[in-house]
Amino acid sequence: SQQGEEDPQALSIQEGENATMNCSYKTSINNLQWYRQNSGRGLVHLILIRSNEREKHSGRLRVTLDTSKKSSSLLITASRAADTASYFCATSRNTGGFKTIFGAGTRLFVKA
Amino acid sequence: DTEVTQTPKHLVMGMTNKKSLKCEQHMGHRAMYWYKQKAKKPPELMFVYSYEKLSINESVPSRFSPECPNSSLLNLHLHALQPEDSALYLCASSHPGLAGGPWSDTQYFGPGTRLTVL
Repeated sequence: SQQGEEDPQALSIQEGENATMNCSYKTSINNLQWYRQNSGRGLVHLILIRSNEREKHSGRLRVTLDTSKKSSSLLITASRAADTASYFCATSRNTGGFKTIFGAGTRLFVKA
Repeated sequence: DTEVTQTPKHLVMGMTNKKSLKCEQHMGHRAMYWYKQKAKKPPELMFVYSYEKLSINESVPSRFSPECPNSSLLNLHLHALQPEDSALYLCASSHPGLAGGPWSDTQYFGPGTRLTVL
């Protein structure tokens, strides 16, 4: 079964607004990462938060992690048209190998 | 150099063909990955190599055969594929993880190979 579930599946906002995406997972993790993917291209790493961290910032990005609820959120502030992409959370845990499982993803559309 | 390169960008092959996908990185990463991604779906892990040894095989059919000839190169050999194997194939690399642990750290992805099987 899928480790990470994300909501919403799709999000459409106006430029300048904030976008919030959520991710839930089922098992214990070592870290959680967020990636962005422009249509049909490779994924770009945005931010990594370790299991002992609760919040992390990077530019216009803010990520929170609640291990008690097994959930994370990604906030993009002051969105731009260039932020239009799919966003995936990915969880990584010690399974005896380098296993990373991606959530279903949120498709974000920012209207200019 | 913080780039993962993949060749070819596009590949069209028949079900009887044999072809290979190539991935290369020069970041000194010792973990390399193959993912398969269908349209509007997340990437699905296929294989993981750690220190040039196959670490994870996610029950991938034998018509996909990975190879890691050295720490910078990762190949995926394709033979007798089916039309449902058409997808974007992504390669990624990472450091093995904090303090050498077996969990993956930040992964750097290549642009992918768009594979179409006729």
